[in-house]
Amino acid sequence: GAGVSQTPSNKVTEKGKYVELRCDPISGHTALYWYRQSLGQGPEFLIYFQGTGAADDSGLPNDRFFAVRPEGSVSTLKIQRTERGDSAVYLCASSPQKRGSTGELFFGEGSRLTVL
Amino acid sequence: AQSVTQLDSQVPVFEEAPVELRCNYSSSVSVYLFWYVQYTNQGLQLLLKYLSGSTLVKGINGFEAEFNKSQTSFHLRKPSVHISDTAEYFCAVSDRGSARQLTFGSGTQLTVLP
Repeated sequence: GAGVSQTPSNKVTEKGKYVELRCDPISGHTALYWYRQSLGQGPEFLIYFQGTGAADDSGLPNDRFFAVRPEGSVSTLKIQRTERGDSAVYLCASSPQKRGSTGELFFGEGSRLTVL
Repeated sequence: AQSVTQLDSQVPVFEEAPVELRCNYSSSVSVYLFWYVQYTNQGLQLLLKYLSGSTLVKGINGFEAEFNKSQTSFHLRKPSVHISDTAEYFCAVSDRGSARQLTFGSGTQLTVLP
């Protein structure tokens, strides 16, 4: 597609439920990133994929968070046993450079997650 | 590790006035520097970036920023703002060595008043 696509744009769930957020990067971009943006904060790094593998998952807050990118294109961020503190906008970004060599990223519009 | 400080969370300014949004960073290694803009209900969009060379960088929509290594700053400026510049602005840094991820500041909400 023309840009990074994220679905759903909005997700409301109950505490304890499981959630999946999907990201479709720009075609041909090998690097894919997930960030989390809480209200009044800047985006916070979660995980980075180079191809199919997670090259850096140091930003995942705990083991309830997991992400996959099985074919090196679409990625899914999975959150188990959601908590109210997980409420945020989850941003996906992609980059055409194999090593993300300058850090310039192309962002989607985000998925707003609300945990009641 | 890097960190970014945006000193002003909100900056109101009248239309056609100049504006400066401040950004300071901390890093033990050399960095690349970026400014992103986020309009309401839209994704982040790259405004400009400093990679190397001239310390004065020009970006889209008439914005520019100056890299000051001694002061570890990368302030964003525009000589005359428009209503359409109202948005959230984020300063970000990446490590030149790995450049695998961006570290963002907390953002500055620029509101241009008529």
